[in-house]
Amino acid sequence: GENVEQHPSTLSVQEGDSAVIKCTYSDSASNYFPWYKQELGKRPQLIIDIRSNVGEKKDQRIAVTLNKTAKHFSLHITETQPEDSAVYFCAASILTGGGNKLTFGTGTQLKVEL
Amino acid sequence: GAGVSQSPRYKVAKRGQDVALRCDPISGHVSLFWYQQALGQGPEFLTYFQNEAQLDKSGLPSDRFFAERPEGSVSTLKIQRTQQEDSAVYLCASSLPRGGPAETQYFGPGTRLLVL
Repeated sequence: GENVEQHPSTLSVQEGDSAVIKCTYSDSASNYFPWYKQELGKRPQLIIDIRSNVGEKKDQRIAVTLNKTAKHFSLHITETQPEDSAVYFCAASILTGGGNKLTFGTGTQLKVEL
Repeated sequence: GAGVSQSPRYKVAKRGQDVALRCDPISGHVSLFWYQQALGQGPEFLTYFQNEAQLDKSGLPSDRFFAERPEGSVSTLKIQRTQQEDSAVYLCASSLPRGGPAETQYFGPGTRLLVL
């Protein structure tokens, strides 16, 4: 089955700096890669996702890049703010006509310091 | 609109007790997923429903775990004879609104289960 590895496990940046989180996946059939943000005790919330037919996607301060050949994808957050502090999870799945179970990475605890 | 809701939010059970966790998906969502999230880990897939049909239960850790969605909306995850290793947050997610993007999964707040 699919295996997703995520690095780093913790990341501390100064406010205004950029943060990068990297993930690799094992199943070359995976074609959908979402990123979720989870604050302590809260539900995971989708912040951005990318399909395998696209190499990069951007939404304001957040961008995701995908390298299908190397089977890795990254989350980039620019101009970080204290409210970006949370745990971020990458995931991979294979889109089918019905549901698509997500395989998650182990998470990155991001801390944005003032 | 209303998101995915789960109840109870917290459950404390004695080892050996049976528990039932409820998920109310977003209205109209066809797909429903259950995940288990251990402390400090990412969610792990348990089972998946499309309408009332359970199409994948490969992630259920043992035959003590059972899930159902009899009318294709509300789902219940039941754990029999709970063990301490069952302590985790159980997350429900729904997706595939008719006419909308198929892949986005919307998560509920989870049920935090503690087995003593």
